[in-house]
Amino acid sequence: KNQVEQSPQSLIILEGKNCTLQCNYTVSPFSNLRWYKQDTGRGPVSLTIMTFSENTKSNGRYTATLDADTKQSSLHITASQLSDSASYICVVSPDNYGQNFVFGPGTRLSVLP
Amino acid sequence: DVKVTQSSRYLVKRTGEKVFLECVQDMDHENMFWYRQDPGLGLRLIYFSYDVKMKEKGDIPEGYSVSREKKERFSLILESASTNQTSMYLCASSRRNSVKDTQYFGPGTRLTVL
Repeated sequence: KNQVEQSPQSLIILEGKNCTLQCNYTVSPFSNLRWYKQDTGRGPVSLTIMTFSENTKSNGRYTATLDADTKQSSLHITASQLSDSASYICVVSPDNYGQNFVFGPGTRLSVLP
Repeated sequence: DVKVTQSSRYLVKRTGEKVFLECVQDMDHENMFWYRQDPGLGLRLIYFSYDVKMKEKGDIPEGYSVSREKKERFSLILESASTNQTSMYLCASSRRNSVKDTQYFGPGTRLTVL
């Protein structure tokens, strides 16, 4: 069964600190992996998209890595800010048609002053 | 800027009522999706549409139907609302056959069925 797991379920860090969120997937075949940020009460917003041939992608203070051999991805947040408080969702797609996505449950990040 | 709008942010309905959730996108996207999001679960696909009048069932279509009469508009219908349909409903759109294009999500509709 195609599944995406994320850890930790929730995380609390102090402003200015770095953190890393994990994503493991069993989706097959594999086309691409995405990370989304979802603020409370809002829809998810795309942070990064990586295909099989890409093993790292950055978007400002967010850096995603992908190891397609071990089927793992991580999202590293550098110098966290209060506005980084949100849920971070890992999404894997098995096809190239932009129609089929498997969503992880998300990691809830709280950044405290 | 791509914009996906949903007709209501919050909605309260009674059991047995027919409920319409509307979604409109302004980027001429072929694909449109309806998801529901519940605590501790990932987004689950209810239905998606890849063209006008075309629809495909997702993972949890039971109790729902959809309508896409115009390319920019995708409606989700709860024929007879039940309490287990209390949830956050998210609409999304994307271009077809584009691996690198993202899905754009609306702000969500939080539906409560009493």
